[in-house]
Amino acid sequence: GQNIDQPTEMTATEGAIVQINCTYQTSGFNGLFWYQQHAGEAPTFLSYNVLDGLEEKGRFSSFLSRSKGYSYLLLKELQMKDSASYLCASMDSNYQLIWGAGTKLIIKP
Amino acid sequence: DAGVIQSPRHEVTEMGQEVTLRCKPISGHDYLFWYRQTMMRGLELLIYFNNNVPIDDSGMPEDRFSAKMPNASFSTLKIQPSEPRDSAVYFCASSLVDTGANVLTFGAGSRLTVL
Repeated sequence: GQNIDQPTEMTATEGAIVQINCTYQTSGFNGLFWYQQHAGEAPTFLSYNVLDGLEEKGRFSSFLSRSKGYSYLLLKELQMKDSASYLCASMDSNYQLIWGAGTKLIIKP
Repeated sequence: DAGVIQSPRHEVTEMGQEVTLRCKPISGHDYLFWYRQTMMRGLELLIYFNNNVPIDDSGMPEDRFSAKMPNASFSTLKIQPSEPRDSAVYFCASSLVDTGANVLTFGAGSRLTVL
């Protein structure tokens, strides 16, 4: 079957670190994406992992464990502008994406 | 590139009216997707095209919805007749699967309100 789970909402403090988890069950798994979506805007691409391990890109890092069906997005030095929804999506063998419901991240000063 | 361009950005219409949403994908991209997003249901794939050919329309809610891609630079999503439950943000996205990853670029979306 195809399933993606991520927390509905998280709250963190400006300057801190937050980890958003995602678990997936995808037939023919072919990679894991993270997208950021600010309120009223379109989703924008953050990261893509296909191999196990951590990919770092500035303040944002993404991790994948294929054997555990698990990924996380790590945001460091949080800024108020990081308040957004973060969407996890797995890609199947036909290159199609299965989307999670998104995690709304609230940053408090 | 100007990115994925959608029109209109906002549409308010009355129940029973026809609605046409338009999309211009990024030049050179070979996939085009139509999504619908609501608070209750999240991001739902309606239909996608590969090289202008519809591949999977299983997400299209019912016969009131139709989508076309007459050429590589233009696609439409039509709802006829529209109903209040169709109110949502409709996103068009395009991608090029060249390195094994299908990185979607989304348009700004069309916010539809059916009264």
